[in-house]
Amino acid sequence: DTEVTQTPKHLVMGMTNKKSLKCEQHMGHRAMYWYKQKAKKPPELMFVYSYEKLSINESVPSRFSPECPNSSLLNLHLHALQPEDSALYLCASSPDGPNTEAFFGQGTRLTVV
Amino acid sequence: LAKTTQPISMDSYEGQEVNITCSHNNIATNDYITWYQQFPSQGPRFIIQGYKTKVTNEVASLFIPADRKSSTLSLPRVSLSDTAVYYCLVGAALFSGGYNKLIFGAGTRLAVHP
Repeated sequence: DTEVTQTPKHLVMGMTNKKSLKCEQHMGHRAMYWYKQKAKKPPELMFVYSYEKLSINESVPSRFSPECPNSSLLNLHLHALQPEDSALYLCASSPDGPNTEAFFGQGTRLTVV
Repeated sequence: LAKTTQPISMDSYEGQEVNITCSHNNIATNDYITWYQQFPSQGPRFIIQGYKTKVTNEVASLFIPADRKSSTLSLPRVSLSDTAVYYCLVGAALFSGGYNKLIFGAGTRLAVHP
C-alpha cells in the first residue's frame, strides 16, 4: 500500500465553522506533512510532524491547528478561516532517511465562504 | 537552500522528446536533485532523483553535468497524459530528525499537444 489518503476530497465551510481535514498512511512512514497550494502556485509547506511530534510550523496562523494522534494519522483542524484560506490542502509522508521520496495525497479542495 | 530556475512553461507534441532544464548555480556538495510531477488537482508525484552523471528509470532520465550547476529532465516520447507541472528541487530535502523539508520552486508547466 503506497497511498496517502485524504478526506474529504472537497469541503465548503463558513468563516465561523469548525472543520477537520484527515490524512492517513499505512506505509510505516514516521514523517508527515501538510502543504497548502493556491491555484497555479507551488505547494507551500505548513507543518511537519516527525515521530508524532511537531517539528516544523512555518509561521502558520493559529486558525490552522495540526494534530498527529498516531503514526498513521494526521489531522488539520480548521477554525474561523478566511476566504483567502481557500486552497488545495495536501498531505504527504516520507520514510526516515535523507533525500527519501515523499508520497502525496490527492488533497482536499477547501472553499471558505 | 540552492535557488532553482526553470522555464515557466513549455509546449511539445505527442511522440516528441522533452527536455526541461533546471539551473542551480549554488548547489551544495551534498545536495541531491529531485524532480516531481503534478497533475491538476492532485498531489505531486516523485519522478526521479540523482546526484551526478545520468540516472534513468522507467519514466524519465536525469542528466547532471560534472559541475552540477544545472540538470536536465528528459521525458522520452511524451503523450497527452504528460501534460503537468514539473518541479525541480535542489538542496530542499534538508534531512533532520527523521524528515525531509521539501520546498517547491515555481515549476515548469508542460503542455503536450496532439
